[in-house]
Order: sequence, then structure tokens, then C-alpha cells
Amino acid sequence: DGGITQSPKYLFRKEGQNVTLSCEQNLNHDAMYWYRQDPGQGLRLIYYSQIVNDFQKGDIAEGYSVSREKKESFPLTVTSAQKNPTAFYLCASSPRTGHQPQHFGDGTRLSIL
Amino acid sequence: EDKVVQSPLSLVVHEGDTVTLNCSYEVTNFRSLLWYKQEKKAPTFLFMLTSSGIEKKSGRLSSILDKKELFSILNITATQTGDSAVYLCAVEWSSGGSNYKLTFGKGTLLTVNP
Repeated sequence: DGGITQSPKYLFRKEGQNVTLSCEQNLNHDAMYWYRQDPGQGLRLIYYSQIVNDFQKGDIAEGYSVSREKKESFPLTVTSAQKNPTAFYLCASSPRTGHQPQHFGDGTRLSIL
Repeated sequence: EDKVVQSPLSLVVHEGDTVTLNCSYEVTNFRSLLWYKQEKKAPTFLFMLTSSGIEKKSGRLSSILDKKELFSILNITATQTGDSAVYLCAVEWSSGGSNYKLTFGKGTLLTVNP
């Protein structure tokens, strides 16, 4: 079945450590997105990519980095510069940017040790 | 300030009740408004609205958009416990040019008690 796979489901980070969240899609979508969701908050856009080897900052990109070396994959690295990383992270894709709706993965819950 | 505002933030009803969830927005170059349902994990798509006054319907759920007053409502009739979820509203808009983005509201937590 086509869809978006995020891994791991749960992740723990030590202080000063970088961690990488995986997002893979087999929908043949050009556009991919990373969102952060905090309790009582909506989804906030971290980064998005319209095409391979291209990506743009969203509203809250500080402390995060991404890469898009393959169409199917859009990993997110939470760096030590992100001082409040505890949140639920959602990856999404769409056939192209500006083409809705977006399809979402099941998310990764990141916590600080 | 928030561009997409949902109300109420939470709501508790009994099975069989009808609920109305609200979403107001203030953006430039509006293109569409979307409703998603989020239970535990991935938000699932419900409706996309682009034109005023045209109701979209799927079973017990329906939604309508008012582009003049800048809001949308999501109605759920004869609620069931399986309707318990966070309902997210998102607006697609552009600050100029063809670079559109999706901005989400904080969501409405609906709890349906048996």
C-alpha cells in the first residue's frame, strides 16, 4: 500500500546530542514537509521540499536541518541547537507544493532524557 | 498573531448530539481551507473547501466556507464515540507570488461520551 513511513515512533535525546528522524514515502510525491506539534498547539511547519536537492525553511526552522537526496526520503535532524525539542513530529507529502491535501505519516514522539 | 483560529478549543458532548466546530482565518491570497481529523497519530483528510456557500458532505459530517466573513464550520450530526478526536483546520495561502503554504489552527478536541 502507498503511504508515508516515519521511524522511529519514539525517540529519546540526551542533552547536546543530534538525532535524526526518518520519513519515507512511496506515493511518488514531489513535495514533502516536516511539522512539529506541541500539546494544545496546531501543526507548525519546520521545513519543506518541493523537489530533490531543494528545500526551504518553514516558520520554525531554527535548530533543525533536513536533506532531500532522494525523492522518497526527507530526513529531519534535530540538532543540539534546538533547546526545546520535546514534541510530536509529523512528516507529510503532496504531489507538489500548493497541491492539497497533504498525506501524513504516523509521527515520531521525541523526548529529552 | 494567529492567522487561523479554531473554536471552541475543546468540547464534550453525549452520543447523538450535533456539534458545530468553527474556524476563522485572516490571510492574504487565500486559496483553500482544509479540515483534518486527528485521533492518535496521523491527521486524516476530511474536506477541502475553495468556494463560498458550497456544502461538502460525507456521511454525518459536512462543512461550508464563507469567504466574505472568512470562516468555515464543520458539522457533525448524530455524534458517535468514534468521532472523538482533535479536528484541525488549515488554510492554504500565499504572502505573494506562487509560493503557497498551509497554516494550521490549534485544533478542537472533541470528546463524545456514551
